[in-house]
Amino acid sequence: DGGITQSPKYLFRKEGQNVTLSCEQNLNHDAMYWYRQDPGQGLRLIYYSQIVNDFQKGDIAEGYSVSREKKESFPLTVTSAQKNPTAFYLCASSILFPPGTNEKLFFGSGTQLSVL
Amino acid sequence: EDQVTQSPEALRLQEGESSSLNCSYTVSGLRGLFWYRQDPGKGPEFLFTLYSAGEEKEKERLKATLTKKESFLHITAPKPEDSATYLCAVTGGSNYKLTFGKGTLLTVNP
Repeated sequence: DGGITQSPKYLFRKEGQNVTLSCEQNLNHDAMYWYRQDPGQGLRLIYYSQIVNDFQKGDIAEGYSVSREKKESFPLTVTSAQKNPTAFYLCASSILFPPGTNEKLFFGSGTQLSVL
Repeated sequence: EDQVTQSPEALRLQEGESSSLNCSYTVSGLRGLFWYRQDPGKGPEFLFTLYSAGEEKEKERLKATLTKKESFLHITAPKPEDSATYLCAVTGGSNYKLTFGKGTLLTVNP
């Protein structure tokens, strides 16, 4: 079945440590996104990528980095510069960019990141 | 700046008790309004896209409607398995991104 796979499901970060969240899709979608979800808050866009080897900052990119070396993969690194990283992280994809014109976002199952 | 406000924040229903969730939005040139369902610890699952005022879409016990200022998600005779957080999002004008509301947590008791 086609879909988006995020791993790990749970991740713990020590102070000063960088951690990487994995996102893989087999939907053959060009566009991929990373969102952050905090309790009681709407989803906020961290980074997005329209195509391989290209990505753009979203609303809350500080303390995060991404790469898009392959169409199916869009890993997110939470760096030590992100002082409040505890949140639920969601990866998404869409056929084309931008979404919303006769299409929708598909989401992965998320990664819960916590600070030790 | 696009804005989305969902109400109520939480709603508790008895099985079979119909109700509606509200999504009020402010956007310049609506291109699409989306409803998603999210179960605890999982990613959102797409339900509906609405594009223009007056449009309606149905799926099982759910019906989404759209006006120029708000959207309603009507739930008819809900079952416990309808319990979830329902998210509303909009995109409009030249804005490339979806703006999400905070969601409504629906609990349906048997």
